[in-house]
Amino acid sequence: DTEVTQTPKHLVMGMTNKKSLKCEQHMGHRAMYWYKQKAKKPPELMFVYSYEKLSINESVPSRFSPECPNSSLLNLHLHALQPEDSALYLCASSQPGKGYEQYFGPGTRLTVT
Amino acid sequence: AQSVTQLDSHVSVSEGTPVLLRCNYSSSYSPSLFWYVQHPNKGLQLLLKYTSAATLVKGINGFEAEFKKSETSFHLTKPSAHMSDAAEYFCVVSDRGAGNMLTFGGGTRLMVKP
Repeated sequence: DTEVTQTPKHLVMGMTNKKSLKCEQHMGHRAMYWYKQKAKKPPELMFVYSYEKLSINESVPSRFSPECPNSSLLNLHLHALQPEDSALYLCASSQPGKGYEQYFGPGTRLTVT
Repeated sequence: AQSVTQLDSHVSVSEGTPVLLRCNYSSSYSPSLFWYVQHPNKGLQLLLKYTSAATLVKGINGFEAEFKKSETSFHLTKPSAHMSDAAEYFCVVSDRGAGNMLTFGGGTRLMVKP
């Protein structure tokens, strides 16, 4: 099974709202990633968790707050977002040191109004 | 440092004709290379991967790619395009480090005409 699931599929939120995106994988992978993808562009890396520890934060604004409660789950907490944060948010996972490929979820389409 | 260049931002083919999507990479060491496909409003699906075994790599849905070290290329081909192949394709290189960090090409949009 190479499935990564993400919820919700779509999210519309106002600039004062607080919401969370969720990602889950059951492949035993110990690295998980958040990406942001704008239309007609490749994904941009936001955060990397390796063995449940935040290892990379690509200078992402503090209104995005990641959390990795356990090896299967990854959350992205959103607060006080801006309209330019509207995008497709993708979660991915991989097994460090093996294969090197990442497996992506279907994404959450976020619209900030 | 590593980089990936996809030479065509758009490719248009007729159904049943061959597909060629071009990719050149730059890496300071022996890379792992991938092709991913993304249909509209979907996630990225791994088509195939090269990790230093056979240089001709076969993937899903009839796609294959050939790793050519001398040309630093990893072009994606398919003998006969199908309407369902219309999508965005990304050529990707891995740093092979502990974090499995990926570097993406700019993407190629494949259009298939009936």
